[in-house]
Amino acid sequence: KAGVTQTPRYLIKTRGQQVTLSCSPISGHRSVSWYQQTPGQGLQFLFEYFSETQRNKGNFPGRFSGRQFSNSRSEMNVSTLELGDSALYLCASRDTGTNNEQFFGPGTRLTVL
Amino acid sequence: AQSVSQHNHHVILSEAASLELGCNYSYGGTVNLFWYVQYPGQHLQLLLKYFSGDPLVKGIKGFEAEFIKSKFSFNLRKPSVQWSDTAEYFCAVTQGDSSYKLIFGSGTRLLVRP
Repeated sequence: KAGVTQTPRYLIKTRGQQVTLSCSPISGHRSVSWYQQTPGQGLQFLFEYFSETQRNKGNFPGRFSGRQFSNSRSEMNVSTLELGDSALYLCASRDTGTNNEQFFGPGTRLTVL
Repeated sequence: AQSVSQHNHHVILSEAASLELGCNYSYGGTVNLFWYVQYPGQHLQLLLKYFSGDPLVKGIKGFEAEFIKSKFSFNLRKPSVQWSDTAEYFCAVTQGDSSYKLIFGSGTRLLVRP
């Protein structure tokens, strides 16, 4: 099976812009989670989608949003970018038939100038 | 709020040395425990996981971890490290029914000198 794929791998934006990141889960996985990784805050949970529904959200402002499509692919959107949004954004997919193991993609490196 | 603590932020070892990385969590209920590794330039990979049963868990590449419930700990061990083990190691926890929400420790950067 192909792994979790994320596009684009690298992105440079300026403050105030918005950005959309994409994640394709492992085939058959219906749960997709997003995480933000920064040197200062480490790995933090953003939100999780299952069957096109957001099940939970981490402690991030409303500028961070996402959605999931019927084929389980997910997108994450950040509006009105701030310098502090520079991070590696990781997507993870999970087969809900097994015990909680999440498989991570390579991430999208977002730089906000 | 639940938290995960990794006390060693940077560890430097010579090849063949033994490794133990500490991990403590704060949640008192049912937890699932994980160790992930991030090799330079690569994505996060699962080393091992604990859900229930034998508290001594064996993972890939010769790693093992022991769940000690009374100490809220899940330390990672390897008897003899190799240069290729140079990476960042993350302990993570999910709690109860929130099985999709991994709470990560701050990570430990391991450098193995040849």
